[in-house]
Amino acid sequence: DTGVSQNPRHKITKRGQNVTFRCDPISEHNRLYWYRQTLGQGPEFLTYFQNEAQLEKSRLLSDRFSAERPKGSFSTLEIQRTEQGDSAMYLCASSLGLALETQYFGPGTRLLVL
Amino acid sequence: QKEVEQNSGPLSVPEGAIASLNCTYSDRGSQSFFWYRQYSGKSPELIMFIYSNGDKEDGRFTAQLNKASQYVSLLIRDSQPSDSATYLCAVTTPYNTDKLIFGTGTRLQVFP
Repeated sequence: DTGVSQNPRHKITKRGQNVTFRCDPISEHNRLYWYRQTLGQGPEFLTYFQNEAQLEKSRLLSDRFSAERPKGSFSTLEIQRTEQGDSAMYLCASSLGLALETQYFGPGTRLLVL
Repeated sequence: QKEVEQNSGPLSVPEGAIASLNCTYSDRGSQSFFWYRQYSGKSPELIMFIYSNGDKEDGRFTAQLNKASQYVSLLIRDSQPSDSATYLCAVTTPYNTDKLIFGTGTRLQVFP
């Protein structure tokens, strides 16, 4: 499978715990995006990387959220001190440079904070 | 005003009919426009993109862009029950062409 992969696919955690998600992009794609999607809404941009550089982080993203892409390949998204409002689908996507028509989404990680 | 607006639906059409999905955007300088299909519980998949005014056809799908009126639409001909999904409109903004701004999506139901 050469698509975007995400792990875990589902995560249930208690409020206050930290969680970390992983995304493996399509191998030749140098751009990697994180989105969050709640029920009835479209994906909401969180942050993106070009290679290992984080180029933008949404103003909506609190300092409890951090993302890394240390070697320009896979990326991790960590949420510290989770809150019930963090419950959502976290989507990763990758693209070949600025060509957004090449952007493919992974299957997502569904987070439930109890 | 939301940057990208879509009617949430559901839009119900009979099998074989044309489904017309509409999207309006607020920033006149938006440059690139995308339509994604999302099945329940799945991630979005790109079905069409359009950059220039006019129509763009791909199989049963036609994207239409009117920058003067700031709307983009998606037509699905010969609708099939398998087309039942949520259709998301996404645009890039003139000050940041690197990311997509999504609408809330329109749920399409195609009944036999």
